[in-house]
Parts: sequence; structure tokens; C-alpha cells
Amino acid sequence: SQTIHQWPATLVQPVGSPLSLECTVEGTSNPNLYWYRQAAGRGLQLLFYSVGIGQISSEVPQNLSASRPQDRQFILSSKKLLLSDSGFYLCAWSGGTNQPQHFGDGTRLSIL
Amino acid sequence: GNSVTQMEGPVTLSEEAFLTINCTYTATGYPSLFWYVQYPGEGLQLLLKATKADDKGSNKGFEATYRKETTSFHLEKGSVQVSDSAVYFCALMGSGGSNYKLTFGKGTLLTVNP
Repeated sequence: SQTIHQWPATLVQPVGSPLSLECTVEGTSNPNLYWYRQAAGRGLQLLFYSVGIGQISSEVPQNLSASRPQDRQFILSSKKLLLSDSGFYLCAWSGGTNQPQHFGDGTRLSIL
Repeated sequence: GNSVTQMEGPVTLSEEAFLTINCTYTATGYPSLFWYVQYPGEGLQLLLKATKADDKGSNKGFEATYRKETTSFHLEKGSVQVSDSAVYFCALMGSGGSNYKLTFGKGTLLTVNP
């Protein structure tokens, strides 16, 4: 069966520091991969999605970037974090277009 | 563009009460519709889905019917349990050029008291 792993589960970072969040999927090949952010009391906002290695589409211009160095690995990065980057970050995968998305357990990011 | 509107909570019920969480959507074409559930401190889990008009999705006693004429996908459960306490998200996946992307409602917090 397929599983998705995200780490770390929680992270506290100072303003201006770099960020790297990692997500890996097991049990499937060539998944679509997604990064979402969930701000407190709000819904989910799609940040990035990828349909293959090295293929990244950005939904919202921002301080973050994403990379997909391997088929089942998706990384969310920032060179300099802002206070507004605080939130709950969720990685998801799907088997393709029109397929349900399956989420990881998320990373709670606090910026001080 | 696509959008989802769901009733804002919080919703507080007693155990064994009937649950309805309303969800309406705006989309072109023929979207697929989903309900996700998020338990405290966790990611989202797919609860149920429907891919065409009049389809009924069901899982764990929850049901929702895809009503194209009213553009709705209301979530119902006949008898809630304390363990159903969570945030529920209605979502749609568009057809055509937006068939990779989920659009979510803002979520509805459900608290079930014993």
C-alpha cells in the first residue's frame, strides 16, 4: 500500500533563517505531488504541484520554492523565512489527474 | 474560477445526534467532489468522494450526494460519536485544465459531546 511521510512534524525557526521540509511517498511510482499551507482558521492553499521529476508549478507567488529531485521526493524550501510563513504545511500525492489526493501528517512551522 | 462554500462552525452536537454540514460549489464543467476529515494535529484523510451527478459517496456512516441541480454536496451522518470530533473539509477537483487541483472550503469544526 502507499504511504506518505513528512518531516519534521514541528519546527520553530527564527525570521530570516532557511527552511527545508521533506516529503516522500512509498508504494507508487510517478505520483503527482503537492504542497499546501493551512493558516490558522482557514482552508488549504495550494502552493506547488509537480507531475514529474524536475517539473514544478507554482500556484501562488511567495517566499517559498519547491523541488523534486527524485520521483517520490518533494522538498519545500525558503532562503529567508518571514513571519507570514508560519502555518501548517501539508504534502499530498495522487495517482494522476482526476484522482483523489492523499495527505501526509503535516509540519507545523512557527516563525519567531 | 472554482470555489467551495461550506457552513462555518463550530458545530456542537450530542452523541447520537444527526449531523448535516452544508457544502455548495461553483465550477464549470463536471467537477469531482470530496469530503476530507482532519483530526486534531493530523493531516487530512479522504472521507468520501463522488465523481458525477447523483453519485452518493459513503464511508464510516457518513454520506454525501452529488446534486448538480443545486450544486451541493452536503455531508450527513445519522448518529455521530465523540470520535467524529474533527474538522471537515469539502473540496472539488475541476474538470479540464484544473483537473489536477483541489479547491477547498474553509472547513467546519465539529465537536461531539458525550
